[in-house]
Amino acid sequence: AQSVTQLGSHVSVSEGALVLLRCNYSSSVPPYLFWYVQYPNQGLQLLLKYTTGATLVKGINGFEAEFKKSETSFHLTKPSAHMSDAAEYFCAVDQRGNMLTFGGGTRLMVKP
Amino acid sequence: EAGVAQSPRYKIIEKRQSVAFWCNPISGHATLYWYQQILGQGPKLLIQFQNNGVVDDSQLPKDRFSAERLKGVDSTLKIQPAKLEDSAVYLCASSPPSDEQFFGPGTRLTVL
Repeated sequence: AQSVTQLGSHVSVSEGALVLLRCNYSSSVPPYLFWYVQYPNQGLQLLLKYTTGATLVKGINGFEAEFKKSETSFHLTKPSAHMSDAAEYFCAVDQRGNMLTFGGGTRLMVKP
Repeated sequence: EAGVAQSPRYKIIEKRQSVAFWCNPISGHATLYWYQQILGQGPKLLIQFQNNGVVDDSQLPKDRFSAERLKGVDSTLKIQPAKLEDSAVYLCASSPPSDEQFFGPGTRLTVL
């Protein structure tokens, strides 16, 4: 069975600072990996995804993530946080059945 | 392009009552998903439809939950009778086969 662990349920950064949200997965086969963002009272929006090919994936709003097979990680980063980045972020895996398993989420807070 | 529509957005009921949620997916999307998102957790897949057939319902509590997608378009998720632990946001998503899932805004259920 696959699982997703997001280290840190809450992360707080200052505006302009680096954002790093951690995601580790366990899977018997290399999965497809996703990051979603959820703003209050809204559904989830896809930020980026890794399927095959280049391990550094760029997404919307300046976010990127790197797939590291040896570390079973898919951490999400953004060089400079903006107030509008405050939201909840979910990492998810899919073992080719288009059925997502989500992590517990990380709430990102951005201080002015 | 219209997104995934869900109604109602909010519902408050007492335990042992029944409730139904409705989802209209993006036009042309063959696959439809229902997720349960308990406060502070990531979404958990309840059921996946491909057209009007069930692909996976292994995590659906079938003693009280039911879902249908009779014409392969919109879908209804029902809880009968509701328990306190059913309080959650119920998310509907749709996708073309083996492609990105698009999420609706969700229905927030409170069971008193």
